[in-house]
Amino acid sequence: SQQGEEDPQALSIQEGENATMNCSYKTSINNLQWYRQNSGRGLVHLILIRSNEREKHSGRLRVTLDTSKKSSSLLITASRAADTASYFCACWWAGSYQLTFGKGTKLSVIP
Amino acid sequence: GAGVSQSPSNKVTEKGKDVELRCDPISGHTALYWYRQSLGQGLEFLIYFQGNSAPDKSGLPSDRFSAERTGGSVSTLTIQRTQQEDSAVYLCASSLAWLGETYNEQFFGPGTRLTVL
Repeated sequence: SQQGEEDPQALSIQEGENATMNCSYKTSINNLQWYRQNSGRGLVHLILIRSNEREKHSGRLRVTLDTSKKSSSLLITASRAADTASYFCACWWAGSYQLTFGKGTKLSVIP
Repeated sequence: GAGVSQSPSNKVTEKGKDVELRCDPISGHTALYWYRQSLGQGLEFLIYFQGNSAPDKSGLPSDRFSAERTGGSVSTLTIQRTQQEDSAVYLCASSLAWLGETYNEQFFGPGTRLTVL
């Protein structure tokens, strides 16, 4: 499977702590994206990182990409209760029409 | 501006009946995608439209599933003779760029929760 896989499957932290989620994939990608999903409904795009990039920031989010290890990480700093959601990585492989999603990490931020 | 909208938000049907799910993408978005998400699972790709054509239908699980897109805008996903295993949330997304380009952020609708009794 070319599917990205997130780790851990579930994560529970206290408000104010940092949360780190990881994504691994099997085949060389063109770009990797992270999405958030609240309450099992629509997904919201968070950040996209291209294969020639190593790190990107957006507000409290930091994404890294290590193409040699075929892995990416999403760091949420100073977490808030509102960050409670499922987080998915999605990979696009050149020549593919599909953006392939992993099964997600369920993050719970306890107030 | 308006985001991606889907209707109905919830659909309960009996096994064997046909259902139609609708997606209104963001105006100007040429690419449209359908996904299925079963409880607690990731997204399963179903079909991709570029304009009115579907270059990739590889994710449709059986010939009971079909989709069309008209006028480069609204898309309808039809499931014939529904089965209990079809129960899931069906998500639609659209993007400005198609997957052949380097940037393809997808904007998702709220989904249709389908329950087949």
